[in-house]
Amino acid sequence: QQPVQSPQAVILREGEDAVINCSSSKALYSVHWYRQKHGEAPVFLMILLKGGEQKGHEKISASFNEKKQQSSLYLTASQLSYSGTYFCGTERIIQGAQKLVFGQGTRLTINP
Amino acid sequence: EADIYQTPRYLVIGTGKKITLECSQTMGHDKMYWYQQDPGMELHLIHYSYGVNSTEKGDLSSESTVSRIRTEHFPLTLESARPSHTSQYLCASSARLNTGELFFGEGSRLTVL
Repeated sequence: QQPVQSPQAVILREGEDAVINCSSSKALYSVHWYRQKHGEAPVFLMILLKGGEQKGHEKISASFNEKKQQSSLYLTASQLSYSGTYFCGTERIIQGAQKLVFGQGTRLTINP
Repeated sequence: EADIYQTPRYLVIGTGKKITLECSQTMGHDKMYWYQQDPGMELHLIHYSYGVNSTEKGDLSSESTVSRIRTEHFPLTLESARPSHTSQYLCASSARLNTGELFFGEGSRLTVL
């Protein structure tokens, strides 16, 4: 029931674009995206609540395809500060309780 | 800036010792969570609470226990630490799950010798 992220790792040069995908075998109610830098806590980027929703945060945006049960995170003209591990989290209702379950993460390295 | 605090940040302890990892938040959030994360790996939910006197086990089985006597406080206890417990433990809180972000503490990195 854990969402699956792809790719597992990406290496880019500064200014290049990247796409990180998050897919689930179960119906999605919402998708969270977080970024964690080495040795730090995960930091919230955005939540997508319904199918077709798209959001942006500086040059980072995301889409949510409810039908395909997947979400994608788009990083445009990447900056050095974008380096880190990106996690998607999907909300599950298990035994009547809402839980946020994270994917395995995508490690993004931006080189100058 | 998130108002959620964890102590200790780092702890090195011998096998068999009892340890408590503290987590406090000043945002008045009802929902609180403990995640376990090995270096470079994914986040596994081990405990969660939806309010005072409410605690549930997460998806990853853990020998730790938690309590929620006050809204702002969600400590995690290991009665007898073992080397297999070596990991980073992250505490988080949220106002609401489906429309609210998780605020994470800086983590407690536990090493059991």
